[in-house]
Amino acid sequence: QVQLQESGPGLVKPSETLSLTCNVSGYSISSGYYWGWIRQPPGKRLEWIGSLYHSGGAYYNPSLKSRVTISLDTSNNQVSLKVKSVTAADTAVYYCARKGRTGWFIDYWGQGTLVTVSS
Amino acid sequence: EIVLTQSPDTLSLSPGERATLSCRASHSVSSNYLAWYQQKPGQAPRLLIYGASSRATGIPDRCSGSGSGTDFSLTISRLEPEDFAVYYCQQYASSPWTFGQGTKVEIK
Repeated sequence: QVQLQESGPGLVKPSETLSLTCNVSGYSISSGYYWGWIRQPPGKRLEWIGSLYHSGGAYYNPSLKSRVTISLDTSNNQVSLKVKSVTAADTAVYYCARKGRTGWFIDYWGQGTLVTVSS
Repeated sequence: EIVLTQSPDTLSLSPGERATLSCRASHSVSSNYLAWYQQKPGQAPRLLIYGASSRATGIPDRCSGSGSGTDFSLTISRLEPEDFAVYYCQQYASSPWTFGQGTKVEIK
């Protein structure tokens, strides 16, 4: 059974960098699939941030691409997210997610972690 | 960007009743690249349907998806207690991939 678990600071100051890690168990990220992040600001829609394939393929939401870095650590089977220069608009529940085999939908999600941007 | 509008926002029904949820797209969703998810409070979303009508692994056949172009629907034929949740649609035909605002199915 594939399981994804997010971790990281729940509070980040404006203008700083948000950093989250996702531990993946039950599947080796180097074996395939795209791995990435989706977020949901309070009271707003889900928003796909980006996804990465172990051999280099990538998708980033154009609205966030300039501030986002996603990386895969195959040694530790982890997926990481960095969002720089955060503002209150980046306050959201952040989900780690695996893209489905046959299309850009999500077949496995993490439980999500709330990140608040505030001074 | 394709905007997805779900209706209604809230659906109040009793167990055993039929639920029909709508997802309308601002532009045609090619190849029926539309998915549905269920989310319960405090839980991760769960994939129900992809390709507009294909059930994901483990999803019961009382749950079905249909539609094409700009109009899609999710039907739950007989609501069970575990079906009361929020449902989201998502299109993956045109980048950026986008989600609907959600429909809450609540117990009447």
